[in-house]
Amino acid sequence: QSVLTQPPSASGTPGQRVAISCSGASSNIGNNIVSWYKQLPGTAPKLLLYSTNQRPSGVPDRFSGSKSGTSASLAISGLQFEDEADYYCGAWDDSLNGWVFGGGTKLTVL
Amino acid sequence: EVQLLESGGGLRQTGESQRLSCAASGFTFSSYAMSWVRQAPGKGLEWVSVIGGSGSRTYYGDSVRGRFTISRDNSRSTLYLQMNSLRDDDTALYYCAKGSSGSYFSVFDYWGQGIQVTVSS
Repeated sequence: QSVLTQPPSASGTPGQRVAISCSGASSNIGNNIVSWYKQLPGTAPKLLLYSTNQRPSGVPDRFSGSKSGTSASLAISGLQFEDEADYYCGAWDDSLNGWVFGGGTKLTVL
Repeated sequence: EVQLLESGGGLRQTGESQRLSCAASGFTFSSYAMSWVRQAPGKGLEWVSVIGGSGSRTYYGDSVRGRFTISRDNSRSTLYLQMNSLRDDDTALYYCAKGSSGSYFSVFDYWGQGIQVTVSS
């Protein structure tokens, strides 16, 4: 049981917009930076977004994030086949004094 | 170019110990927090531990607190994870991850390729 809650799966067709939610609490998402990670099969995770909606260099602006209260969301517009991957949200938790992750969302591009 | 190379994995029996290392290059190691994150087969990410840039602050996940110890040697740009009293559920791919700043709550901006640890009774 993960501290942050994500839907286990999401899907879309090329060109569509897809959103992945991440629900937490005041001790984590509500009070700290949310980050998102993309993991392709058999590879290490890669930072996708941080500070809710900041992108590291090289990440296309098709990826965007938002946060409201104790929930955050990752949106992918203009969906491409290369976006098919597992996506994880993460945040520091002030009560646990540690990092917490969502269980991950497997995105399928149909 | 930032590089993180984990080593020290392998097969251990329940109750044994193991030490993982992560050799870092391409950045000023002492200026950044470092973490270990693990992923059990077919499962999601689980944060294990973090150490601040100076090494003075460390935090652990509930499942490893009291059994694992994180440390760093800034002169060697190397991160360590000493794992004692290993259990079957410690079986996972262990990633070394760099923080985006010296703070323990900075995001993980670079990850190593991971090292497999298998614990069998």
